[in-house]
Amino acid sequence: AQTVTQSQPEMSVQEAETVTLSCTYDTSENNYYLFWYKQPPSRQMILVIRQEAYKQQNATENRFSVNFQKAAKSFSLKISDSQLGDTAMYFCAFMKHGGGTSYGKLTFGQGTILTVHP
Amino acid sequence: DTGVSQNPRHKITKRGQNVTFRCDPISEHNRLYWYRQTLGQGPEFLTYFQNEAQLEKSRLLSDRFSAERPKGSFSTLEIQRTEQGDSAMYLCASSYYITDTQYFGPGTRLTVL
Repeated sequence: AQTVTQSQPEMSVQEAETVTLSCTYDTSENNYYLFWYKQPPSRQMILVIRQEAYKQQNATENRFSVNFQKAAKSFSLKISDSQLGDTAMYFCAFMKHGGGTSYGKLTFGQGTILTVHP
Repeated sequence: DTGVSQNPRHKITKRGQNVTFRCDPISEHNRLYWYRQTLGQGPEFLTYFQNEAQLEKSRLLSDRFSAERPKGSFSTLEIQRTEQGDSAMYLCASSYYITDTQYFGPGTRLTVL
């Protein structure tokens, strides 16, 4: 079974600054996907960024980028030029790739509450 | 494309009652997932469908829980004889292909008194 750990229950950052959210995972799989989802207060979860494990290049989406360290099983999210609208709960998630059971389901971490201060 | 919708958005019920939630996925998405999220925690997988076939159920899904997806379109999640421990947000997500991004609905918040 896979596990995902987010060791930072809460983080805060000043507007326009950079913040990094940590995520580690444990799996015996070699092929998988990793995701960061954002859940604003009382709003639905949306995808921030995804990374395919077979790709060595770190994924980037505008102000969001990841640092994917496969050997260390680490997948951190960096948010540059933080904005007030980035305030949300952020979840790291794992999805197995390949056949068999559990294929396609997401395993989530506990989440990190990020607050961006003006 | 209107996104994933869920109804009702909130449900308050008394212990022992049965409740049913509905999820309408994004049209043409053939995979549909149910997750449960308790306050301050990450979502936990409950079950998923590919078209109308239910392919996997978590051990979290006790015999009191049942899910269906007739005709491979909308899905329903029913909880029989609700317990206070069932209080949670129930999330639905859909995707077109197995490795595609899962798009989440707004959730149904269940409170069991």
